[in-house]
Amino acid sequence: DTEVTQTPKHLVMGMTNKKSLKCEQHMGHRAMYWYKQKAKKPPELMFVYSYEKLSINESVPSRFSPECPNSSLLNLHLHALQPEDSALYLCASSQGADGQRISYEQYFGPGTRLTVT
Amino acid sequence: GNSVTQMEGPVTLSEEAFLTINCTYTATGYPSLFWYVQYPGEGLQLLLKATKADDKGSNKGFEATYRKETTSFHLEKGSVQVSDSAVYFCALRAGSARQLTFGSGTQLTVLP
Repeated sequence: DTEVTQTPKHLVMGMTNKKSLKCEQHMGHRAMYWYKQKAKKPPELMFVYSYEKLSINESVPSRFSPECPNSSLLNLHLHALQPEDSALYLCASSQGADGQRISYEQYFGPGTRLTVT
Repeated sequence: GNSVTQMEGPVTLSEEAFLTINCTYTATGYPSLFWYVQYPGEGLQLLLKATKADDKGSNKGFEATYRKETTSFHLEKGSVQVSDSAVYFCALRAGSARQLTFGSGTQLTVLP
């Protein structure tokens, strides 16, 4: 099973709302990722968790707050977003750990389509 | 730094036509190479991969060969179907880095 699930599928929120995106995988992967994808563009990496610890933060604004409660779950907490944050948010997971030169592929979820009004 | 260059789209083909989507890369060391496909309204699906020079990745009739001498990983399919209409992304992972470097994506439309 190579499935990564994400909820909700669609989310509309106002600029003053607080919401959370959820991601789950049961493949035993130890690395999980959040990406942001704008229309007709490739995904842009936001965060990487490795063994439940944040290992990469690609200078993402603090209105995005990631959380990894356990090895299977990844959340993205949203607060005070701007309309330009509207995008498809993708979660992915892969095997591996820091420093391993192994070509672990990433498996993506279906994404959450976020609209900020 | 690492980079991936894909042929400009969109690409429009008739059903059963031959498909080539060009992908070249710049990377330090020996990257692993991937093709991902994104169908409308969906996330990315791994289509195929290659981890070392001369490896050929294949899946669902698609193929790509890791050519180190030309730093290329072109995607090919002998006979496309309408259901292959999607955006195709070439990507690399260099060394021990966990990040993927994506190309800009190529929109493919197959007409019946």
